[in-house]
Amino acid sequence: SQQGEEDPQALSIQEGENATMNCSYKTSINNLQWYRQNSGRGLVHLILIRSNEREKHSGRLRVTLDTSKKSSSLLITASRAADTASYFCATDAQGGSEKLVFGKGTKLTVNP
Amino acid sequence: NAGVTQTPKFRVLKTGQSMTLLCAQDMNHEYMYWYRQDPGMGLRLIHYSVGEGTTAKGEVPDGYNVSRLKKQNFLLGLESAAPSQTSVYFCASSQREVSYEQYFGPGTRLTVT
Repeated sequence: SQQGEEDPQALSIQEGENATMNCSYKTSINNLQWYRQNSGRGLVHLILIRSNEREKHSGRLRVTLDTSKKSSSLLITASRAADTASYFCATDAQGGSEKLVFGKGTKLTVNP
Repeated sequence: NAGVTQTPKFRVLKTGQSMTLLCAQDMNHEYMYWYRQDPGMGLRLIHYSVGEGTTAKGEVPDGYNVSRLKKQNFLLGLESAAPSQTSVYFCASSQREVSYEQYFGPGTRLTVT
């Protein structure tokens, strides 16, 4: 069963706008990762945030983690058409470090 | 470096046929994974390996077998294909445990008729 659930399932915005995607999970974690998947391609790692971190930045990406609410958000600022993709969160489970559990993803469309 | 490669890219099987999907990585990673991706279901873990000669079951292992005879290769076998195994299969590897990022292959699109 999925550990993480992304919200919304689909998001359509205009180029230049910000895009925010949310991820909720069920059990305590060691870390949470975000991945991007372009249509017909494999997943690409974007960013990892550890359970003792609250916020992390990478270029136009900002990830927050609230362990008390068991949720994370991915913000893409000044979006571009090339950001059109599906975005997945993935979590491990505290006490088990061998595998990730992926959510069902948010499909982001950035219109030029 | 090629990263993670998968062969074949596409395959059509008839029900009951068998096949093997090959995953290869050239990053000297210890951990390797096989996932399947179905519409609306995200990625689900089939089997994984934490090192050469080891394998373990994931979330949806039934109908699949795996082998990791060499560190750089992870094979996924379907002994008797069923239409329910129609999916896109992804292989991934990571340096060590899941506190490290996973690197994904391009995927294999399998159709079972």
